Amino acid sequence: QKEVEQNSGPLSVPEGAIASLNCTYSDRGSQSFFWYRQYSGKSPELIMFIYSNGDKEDGRFTAQLNKASQYVSLLIRDSQPSDSATYLCAVKRPFSGGYNKLIFGAGTRLAVHP
Amino acid sequence: KAGVTQTPRYLIKTRGQQVTLSCSPISGHRSVSWYQQTPGQGLQFLFEYFSETQRNKGNFPGRFSGRQFSNSRSEMNVSTLELGDSALYLCASGTGGSYEQYFGPGTRLTVT
Repeated sequence: QKEVEQNSGPLSVPEGAIASLNCTYSDRGSQSFFWYRQYSGKSPELIMFIYSNGDKEDGRFTAQLNKASQYVSLLIRDSQPSDSATYLCAVKRPFSGGYNKLIFGAGTRLAVHP
Repeated sequence: KAGVTQTPRYLIKTRGQQVTLSCSPISGHRSVSWYQQTPGQGLQFLFEYFSETQRNKGNFPGRFSGRQFSNSRSEMNVSTLELGDSALYLCASGTGGSYEQYFGPGTRLTVT
C-alpha cells in the first residue's frame, strides 16, 4: 500500500462544473496536507495547504480534511479548461531524527472540456 | 521576490559520467529538498538540506549525493550515471518549518 494514494484519472469534467479530487494517506501521524498543480512539462505549483479538520477555501478552490478517515480532498468550483493539469497531493509526516518528510501521491490528471 | 532557480535546465550525459545540478532557493528560505520525477515512479524524494545539514534522505543509492552551502544554495551530484537516472530533477525550497515547498523549474537529465 502506498503512503499517499490518488486515483490517476483522467477525471473528465465539463467546463463550469465542480471537480472533486481525492487523496487518502496511511500514516495517522501525518500533520499537514498540500495540493500541488502540475501542468504538462512544468514543475509543481503549490495551490493550497490545510492543517486542521474541516474545509479551507481559497477562491475557486476548497480543501477538505478528515483526519479520522485519513482523507483529504480538493474541490475546484466553476472548472475552466485552464485547470486541466495533474494535481498532486502531498502529506507531511514525522520521519526519523525528529524531522518530517513530505510524501507525494502519484497525482490525478484532470481534464476540463468546453 | 525571485523564485527558485535551477541550473542547468537541460543536460545530456552518457552512462558512467557524473553530473552536478544546482539550486538557488527563494531568498530567506533555508530548506532545500530534491526530488526525482519520472513517468513511472512519480515524484520521489531524494534528500532535504536545512542550514547546511542533511535532515532527510530517501531510498536512493549512494551515487546520489548533495550538499548545501552557507548561502542556502544547494547542489546535487550523481556519479556513474545509469540509463535509469534519466528524469526531471526538481528542487524545492521552504522555510523548513511548515513544509510548504516551492519548486524550481527543474533540470531535465537525459542519460544515453
